[in-house]
Amino acid sequence: SQTIHQWPATLVQPVGSPLSLECTVEGTSNPNLYWYRQAAGRGLQLLFYSVGIGQISSEVPQNLSASRPQDRQFILSSKKLLLSDSGFYLCACRMNTEAFFGQGTRLTVV
Amino acid sequence: DAKTTQPTSMDCAEGRAANLPCNHSTISGNEYVYWYRQIHSQGPQYIIHGLKNNETNEMASLIITEDRKSSTLILPHATLRDTAVYYCIVRVSGGGFKTIFGAGTRLFVKA
Repeated sequence: SQTIHQWPATLVQPVGSPLSLECTVEGTSNPNLYWYRQAAGRGLQLLFYSVGIGQISSEVPQNLSASRPQDRQFILSSKKLLLSDSGFYLCACRMNTEAFFGQGTRLTVV
Repeated sequence: DAKTTQPTSMDCAEGRAANLPCNHSTISGNEYVYWYRQIHSQGPQYIIHGLKNNETNEMASLIITEDRKSSTLILPHATLRDTAVYYCIVRVSGGGFKTIFGAGTRLFVKA
């Protein structure tokens, strides 16, 4: 079965600092991978998705970027964090007809 | 992907059935109905999905109306651990999960 590793679980970063969140997937090959953000009390907003190595699609303009250096690795980055980047970030993997989510990273920008 | 509408919140007594409705009036013929739930500060968890027939698994049952414009997720014997936000989404089978999950229904199961 597939497993999604996402870390760290929580992160507090100052405004203007860089960000790197990593997501790795086990138990599958060539998965579709997704990064979502969830503001407090709100639904999930899709940020990026990737259908393969080096292939990134952005859904919304923002201060973040994503990369997929390996088949089962998906990275969310920022060069300079903004206060508005605070939120709960989730990595997801599509396997057949289902999406499986990581446990999320709660980012607080101070 | 078609949009869905769900009530903001619902209460349910422990041990009773929880019936969570979802409207998807613009659903197209090749779109499936999916249900996920999210327990506080965790990633969403898949529950069940269906096209037009009713579906049942170990977690829940999914009832889809004949015109497919709405559906109901049924948790037959709700427990306190079922307290979560439940998301109803529609998507094409084999397609991605680019659908934005809405705010969902916050289900409170009370003792």
